[in-house]
Amino acid sequence: QKEVEQNSGPLSVPEGAIASLNCTYSDRGSQSFFWYRQYSGKSPELIMSIYSNGDKEDGRFTAQLNKASQYVSLLIRDSQPSDSATYLCAVPSSGTYKYIFGTGTRLKVLA
Amino acid sequence: EAGVAQSPRYKIIEKRQSVAFWCNPISGHATLYWYQQILGQGPKLLIQFQNNGVVDDSQLPKDRFSAERLKGVDSTLKIQPAKLEDSAVYLCASTPPGRPYNEQFFGPGTRLTVL
Repeated sequence: QKEVEQNSGPLSVPEGAIASLNCTYSDRGSQSFFWYRQYSGKSPELIMSIYSNGDKEDGRFTAQLNKASQYVSLLIRDSQPSDSATYLCAVPSSGTYKYIFGTGTRLKVLA
Repeated sequence: EAGVAQSPRYKIIEKRQSVAFWCNPISGHATLYWYQQILGQGPKLLIQFQNNGVVDDSQLPKDRFSAERLKGVDSTLKIQPAKLEDSAVYLCASTPPGRPYNEQFFGPGTRLTVL
């Protein structure tokens, strides 16, 4: 059974700090990795995609991928109270577009 | 969320009743997905369509769930009969053409409560 694991949190950080969210996955053949943000009562919103080892930056968000260690992380710089949400990691099973989602990490940014 | 329409947004039914959900993805999106998200969990894929055809329905409880996508556009997901454990949010997602890794974009979802 292919798995994607995340710490459920809550992860609490003060406003302006860096929030670091982690995700590990079991399928060594996975080639693409996605981070979704989900506000309470809303549907998931795609915020980052990463396909190659290393870092990918988009505004205040940085995704980091290490395929050898099978983890992907999301850094949020200058965290704002509006970043408070659940962050879902999604990893397609190798050879398919079937996403396996983690349970999500709840982030709370304290003003 | 914008671009994928779902209805109804909320539905409350008694157990053993039937219910249907509707999804209209963004025009031109060939790939459509239905997910079930139980409170506190990540979404779980129920079924994936490519145009009219089913690509993956391995996690669809086929004794009670059915889905169809006529003409490769709209899709409906039906539950008959519903059980208490079917209470969840049902999410529809689609993939724009040309995306390198089939990024998925979700509709607003339908929240189902089974009493």
